[in-house]
Amino acid sequence: DAKTTQPPSMDCAEGRAANLPCNHSTISGNEYVYWYRQIHSQGPQYIIHGLKNNETNEMASLIITEDRKSSTLILPHATLRDTAVYYCIVRATANSGGYQKVTFGTGTKLQVIP
Amino acid sequence: GAVVSQHPSWVICKSGTSVKIECRSLDFQATTMFWYRQFPKQSLMLMATSNEGSKATYEQGVEKDKFLINHASLTLSTLTVTSAHPEDSSFYICSAREQVAGAKTGELFFGEGSRLTVL
Repeated sequence: DAKTTQPPSMDCAEGRAANLPCNHSTISGNEYVYWYRQIHSQGPQYIIHGLKNNETNEMASLIITEDRKSSTLILPHATLRDTAVYYCIVRATANSGGYQKVTFGTGTKLQVIP
Repeated sequence: GAVVSQHPSWVICKSGTSVKIECRSLDFQATTMFWYRQFPKQSLMLMATSNEGSKATYEQGVEKDKFLINHASLTLSTLTVTSAHPEDSSFYICSAREQVAGAKTGELFFGEGSRLTVL
């Protein structure tokens, strides 16, 4: 799996949008960008994933640059419960014939401030 | 979404004893499960990949005789920490990959984690 680079920490005011960047300059053509988050003392929670188009679901939006070398996770209206460590991961999916295992970088610790 | 359950969620044991942690996929079949270990304020570290019906694949530096992994069915994998010592105290997390079928992409789902404290 390709390596990712994220800022170690970020603050965001409650109610504002949180924009979390991720660099993945060595991403391969069959690798997707996945975002997970981990709230203290819990297992990682899936947020969103995408290949090259921007994606949106009920939790967040994912913006992937045209060259796919970086992406941004957007939490449109951050709440205190969004305080967590956010991990950006690139990996091939099972049906693309790529690696299956997922390795985690250090992630970004997002602190939502009241 | 799919649910992965770990048991126990926390355990305290004496040094030298063995501890078994279970990881179950509750509503899907998982041909592959992954075991991670996480120390305080650190990221998740992949320990091993568990494949149903075959031997686990361990990451470099992880002792296979100390961390026994069994994946006997499509919904259950177990991690046994043998002869546990205080340095084995950690947060152990499993994840399960949904068996690929048709258009499904085999997504990964994570358990809630099991906190082991060795006295």
